[in-house]
Amino acid sequence: GEDVEQSLFLSVREGDSSVINCTYTDSSSTYLYWYKQEPGAGLQLLTYIFSNMDMKQDQRLTVLLNKKDKHLSLRIADTQTGDSAIYFCAESISGDYKLSFGAGTTVTVRA
Amino acid sequence: DVKVTQSSRYLVKRTGEKVFLECVQDMDHENMFWYRQDPGLGLRLIYFSYDVKMKEKGDIPEGYSVSREKKERFSLILESASTNQTSMYLCASSPSGKARTQYFGPGTRLTVL
Repeated sequence: GEDVEQSLFLSVREGDSSVINCTYTDSSSTYLYWYKQEPGAGLQLLTYIFSNMDMKQDQRLTVLLNKKDKHLSLRIADTQTGDSAIYFCAESISGDYKLSFGAGTTVTVRA
Repeated sequence: DVKVTQSSRYLVKRTGEKVFLECVQDMDHENMFWYRQDPGLGLRLIYFSYDVKMKEKGDIPEGYSVSREKKERFSLILESASTNQTSMYLCASSPSGKARTQYFGPGTRLTVL
């Protein structure tokens, strides 16, 4: 999606933290999402955050939202080989049925 | 748990064939979507439906049509398949309401020879 941008690749060592970044442009975004796609599979919802929140934590996942800079990040603590996947950031716009997706960040976990 | 199923995981068709891809969801969601995913291009919306018999074009509707006769089922139709329609096709559904969270099926890898 042209309104949501992500870096394309991230390489991380097993056991380290991963941080995946995303920027969006629409200030009327209501919800922001992170999806995970493993090879050959559909997209799996990981977590989402409402636009009036700054942070959300769910086990190894931490989402940070900076509304002023329109910046969203996903931190994965203690990254494992099973975390190797493509991660998509998405935003929903108030009044619109659709989500706007970023191009996806391919995360590779090396031993 | 929300479940979205797609009729086939892998499909091989010949150029000119009519192709049906089916998607079923079991959560009584109002909205359903068809995307295609190609390397380097991310997810592109083909069509979506916000109610039975209602449909709207997405970003790349050319060469495709859709049908939604029942709330739980959304079909994507390739009237005359072409090689440039070789792709991964993903179906999703979402409820109405503030959180438009989309839930995805496992995808159909379509190859057109």
